[in-house]
Amino acid sequence: DAGITQSPRYKITETGRQVTLMCHQTWSHSYMFWYRQDLGHGLRLIYYSAAADITDKGEVPDGYVVSRSKTENFPLTLESATRSQTSVYFCASSEGQPLRYEQYFGPGTRLTVT
Amino acid sequence: KNQVEQSPQSLIILEGKNCTLQCNYTVSPFSNLRWYKQDTGRGPVSLTIMTFSENTKSNGRYTATLDADTKQSSLHITASQLSDSASYICVVTDTTSGTYKYIFGTGTRLKVLA
Repeated sequence: DAGITQSPRYKITETGRQVTLMCHQTWSHSYMFWYRQDLGHGLRLIYYSAAADITDKGEVPDGYVVSRSKTENFPLTLESATRSQTSVYFCASSEGQPLRYEQYFGPGTRLTVT
Repeated sequence: KNQVEQSPQSLIILEGKNCTLQCNYTVSPFSNLRWYKQDTGRGPVSLTIMTFSENTKSNGRYTATLDADTKQSSLHITASQLSDSASYICVVTDTTSGTYKYIFGTGTRLKVLA
């Protein structure tokens, strides 16, 4: 049982490039989330999805695009990467409404924008 | 100002010793408070979750306490082990807007030495 996986684990890209981070979960959880983690900040929510084809903005959505055509996948796209998007990105999923259900985090993707 | 403040930022203790990590929050109203453990290069893993009406919750050698009146929580680790070396993150669920919002602290980095 793989749980929740992210790919790639490490990525270096140049400013202005488009890059997509992948997230896959095997539990059929309805909710999925993308966070970024930066030094001096707690994890911050970028986007979340309550079900397939339903997505909503989090705290820091600018510069990011998400989609969820299948329950198990929740890719995050940086349309034109900027240096300020250098960060560690975590995907998470939960069985139901996060207030009541636990969130399970993936291993993270370390993204460097040069 | 971060609505969830943790202290100390970092801590070094000897194996077998106890330690207590602090979390002060200003989030109000809040629904629950979680403590996560994050190993280096991994995603956060839930340790405990407490609602505003709970005072204490244990998970093995980890015991979390909550004082909703003073808006303080602590995580006590008993008989520390080398594997306890990690960052510990306090997370408060904000329900002000009618929907959930996780407010993450910046974490306490714990190092356990042999």
